[in-house]
Amino acid sequence: GAVVSQHPSWVICKSGTSVKIECRSLDFQATTMFWYRQFPKQSLMLMATSNEGSKATYEQGVEKDKFLINHASLTLSTLTVTSAHPEDSSFYICSSYRGNQPQHFGDGTRLSIL
Amino acid sequence: AQTVTQSQPEMSVQEAETVTLSCTYDTSENNYYLFWYKQPPSRQMILVIRQEAYKQQNATENRFSVNFQKAAKSFSLKISDSQLGDTAMYFCAFMKPTGTASKLTFGTGTRLQVTL
Repeated sequence: GAVVSQHPSWVICKSGTSVKIECRSLDFQATTMFWYRQFPKQSLMLMATSNEGSKATYEQGVEKDKFLINHASLTLSTLTVTSAHPEDSSFYICSSYRGNQPQHFGDGTRLSIL
Repeated sequence: AQTVTQSQPEMSVQEAETVTLSCTYDTSENNYYLFWYKQPPSRQMILVIRQEAYKQQNATENRFSVNFQKAAKSFSLKISDSQLGDTAMYFCAFMKPTGTASKLTFGTGTRLQVTL
C-alpha cells in the first residue's frame, strides 16, 4: 500500500486562487520531505526540501513567496501555490526522506489554472 | 554538483525481447546510490532497482538488472522479457548520502514503448 499519501490528485481553479497540496507520510515519521515539479514530458525538478519544525530550503530559482511550504508535524507537509496563474499549471509530487533508503513518492497532484 | 545523463529520449522494444536503457553520471563522490525509477502513464514514481556504489555486484530484481561500471560512471538498466506493462518513462537518479536530507538528482528520462 501507499506509504506517502498526496492530495488532491487533480485540481482545477481560477487564476488568482491559492491552492494547497498535502503530503502525508503514512508509515513513519518523516522529518524531511521533498517537493518536485514536473512539466509534460520532462524530468522531476526539485523545488524545495521541507523540514519539520523549521523553514523549508528552496532550490535556486524557486520563489519562496509563491510556493509556501509548511511542515508542522512529522507526518504532514503542505505546499501552497499562492495567487496561482496559468504558468503555475504543472504536476507536483512529493516524496519522503528515509535516510539512505529510496524515497517514497506520493501519487502527485495535477494542477490546472484557468 | 552531480549530473545525470540519459542519452536515449525514446526507445522501443517488442514484447518478450530485451532492452537496455543507458545512464551516465558525473560525480566526485566515492560513496553514493543510484536508482532507476519507472513512471507509467498514471505518473506514479515506482522504484525499479537500486545500486549502492560500494557494491561491485550488479543489482537484480526479477526481469530488471543493471550494469554498474563505477570507473566509467555508467549505470544501465536491462529489461528482459519485456512486457506491455513496462511501457513507461524511466528515470535514472543519483543520491549522495550526506547524513542530512539526501537529494535525488534525476536524468531527463527515457520513454520506453513495448510493442506487440
